[in-house]
Amino acid sequence: EVQLVESGGGLVKPGGSLRLSCAASGFTFSSYSMNWVRQAPGKGLEWVSSISSSSSYIYYADSVKGRFTISRDNAKNSLYLQMNSLRAEDTAVYYCARETGGGIADYWGQGTLVTVSS
Amino acid sequence: EIVLTQSPATLSLSPGERATLSCRASQSVSSYLAWYQQKPGQAPRLLIYDASNRATGIPARFSGSGSGTDFTLTISSLEPEDFAVYYCQQRSNWPPGTFGQGTKLEIK
Repeated sequence: EVQLVESGGGLVKPGGSLRLSCAASGFTFSSYSMNWVRQAPGKGLEWVSSISSSSSYIYYADSVKGRFTISRDNAKNSLYLQMNSLRAEDTAVYYCARETGGGIADYWGQGTLVTVSS
Repeated sequence: EIVLTQSPATLSLSPGERATLSCRASQSVSSYLAWYQQKPGQAPRLLIYDASNRATGIPARFSGSGSGTDFTLTISSLEPEDFAVYYCQQRSNWPPGTFGQGTKLEIK
């Protein structure tokens, strides 16, 4: 069974940093591209970032470019999102998702809430 | 960037009725469109990919159609568990992986 479990969310002040993690199991993690997708409270879905299976290709939404860094450790079956210079508008549930191609995700974690507030 | 517009914003129907949800792209996305279902407090679930292909484990009452700029998600006979928010997403011009704003399917 495919499982994706996010962790690392919490309350952080504007300008602060946070690192999200996603532990993957039930599939060959090193064979899949992975995504981060977020959802602000009461709002729709927003794609944040993608990383290819070997980390050769990395993409970011314009809204987070230069502030967020996606990475992965295939030996640990883990995906990460380092978030710096956080803003109030980054407040959202952040989902880790397995990508099937072109940003389309077939499995999602349960999400971790990031709240940016003073 | 391709913009996806979903309509209606809210659809009120009764169990057993047929639901038709629309997603329109600002430019052609060929058949590279997916549909997701999201229930309150849950992660999205992939229903349809590449316009008309059901994802693993998705019931046959869900079907997708369309190409180019106009797409439809049809639920042939609504079950109580189908009331949720539905999102479309394109992968034709990626990144970014743009989503529509969602259609809320509520019980009438």
